[in-house]
Amino acid sequence: AQRVTQPEKLLSVFKGAPVELKCNYSYSGSPELFWYVQYSRQRLQLLLRHISRESIKGFTADLNKGETSFHLKKPFAQEEDSAMYYCALRAYSGNTPLVFGKGTRLSVIA
Amino acid sequence: NAGVTQTPKFQVLKTGQSMTLQCAQDMNHNSMYWYRQDPGMGLRLIYYSASEGTTDKGEVPNGYNVSRLNKREFSLRLESAAPSQTSVYFCASSETQGGGTYEQYFGPGTRLTVT
Repeated sequence: AQRVTQPEKLLSVFKGAPVELKCNYSYSGSPELFWYVQYSRQRLQLLLRHISRESIKGFTADLNKGETSFHLKKPFAQEEDSAMYYCALRAYSGNTPLVFGKGTRLSVIA
Repeated sequence: NAGVTQTPKFQVLKTGQSMTLQCAQDMNHNSMYWYRQDPGMGLRLIYYSASEGTTDKGEVPNGYNVSRLNKREFSLRLESAAPSQTSVYFCASSETQGGGTYEQYFGPGTRLTVT
């Protein structure tokens, strides 16, 4: 079975401080990992995916298969980064829905 | 291009009442999904439809039914609402042809309260 764990429900950081949102997964195959973000009163939207190896809004995430992790990082937090962040996994085996973690609320303090 | 739309935005039901949540997408996606979002629980899959004419149960299907009316529309029905179904419901769609990467697009959500 696939599982995504986000150990922190809430993460508070000061503006300008580094941010790391943790995500660990369990899946025996080769997964596809995503980070979704939900700003206040807005719908969920894709932030980034591991396949693209891109940086979006200053955020990056590297898939570490050895540690089964996909942590989201940003060197300098901004107030507008305050939101709910969800890590999600999709198995490569066939047409399967995303499995989401429980989410981490990031609060950036001015 | 509206993306994924949901109606209604808000709804209050009494225990035992029934209702249908509507979802439509205009991106010609094959797959559609219904999730519920609860504090501390994240998003949990209720049902999904990999393609027109097929539906499958997700993690929390009890108390719900779905209909994939056509490629655009995917409705979620609560036959006899219970307070435990108080939640925010999100519909999503995606294109999942082949083995390529894909993105799920979400609707704005329906906030349902069952008293």
